Amino acid sequence: KAGVTQTPRYLIKTRGQQVTLSCSPISGHRSVSWYQQTPGQGLQFLFEYFSETQRNKGNFPGRFSGRQFSNSRSEMNVSTLELGDSALYLCASSLKTGGYEQYFGPGTRLTVT
Amino acid sequence: GESVGLHLPTLSVQEGDNSIINCAYSNSASDYFIWYKQESGKGPQFIIDIRSNMDKRQGQRVTVLLNKTVKHLSLQIAATQPGDSAVYFCAENSAPILTGANNLFFGTGTRLTVIP
Repeated sequence: KAGVTQTPRYLIKTRGQQVTLSCSPISGHRSVSWYQQTPGQGLQFLFEYFSETQRNKGNFPGRFSGRQFSNSRSEMNVSTLELGDSALYLCASSLKTGGYEQYFGPGTRLTVT
Repeated sequence: GESVGLHLPTLSVQEGDNSIINCAYSNSASDYFIWYKQESGKGPQFIIDIRSNMDKRQGQRVTVLLNKTVKHLSLQIAATQPGDSAVYFCAENSAPILTGANNLFFGTGTRLTVIP
């Protein structure tokens, strides 16, 4: 079975721009969660989608948003990019929601200049 | 306030020795715990999980111990190999049965270095 895939793997954007990241979960997995990883804050939960509905949201500003499609693929969007948004954005998929094994993709490395 | 950079605890072990990585959690409502391994340039890799109704679970060369009384989790790796060198994270899912969600809260991680 193919693992979680994320595109693009690397991205360079300028302050003020917006960016969309994509995540394809493991086949059959219906839950997709997004995390931000930085040297300063570590791994932080952004949000989770299950059956096209946002289940939970972390403590991030409204500039961070996401969505899930009927095939369980998910996208996250960051608008009005700030330098502090530079991070590794990780997507994790799970068979179900409510406390199950989460499998991570390789991440998208976003650099904001 | 925000920290400039997380200072990761480090653990160095000789190849072939056993490793023990510890993690403390703060939320007594946490019901589900996972250990992840992250190598440089890669996403976290699932190692083993444990639910709060258990105090021990074994996998291949790994054992997770859960002590709910002191809110402590440990990962034991038997016969540590150079390929085990990585950063190890514990993660807790707070009351997933109540929240119905998969949001994980991660520890800061421990950098394991295996000396050949």
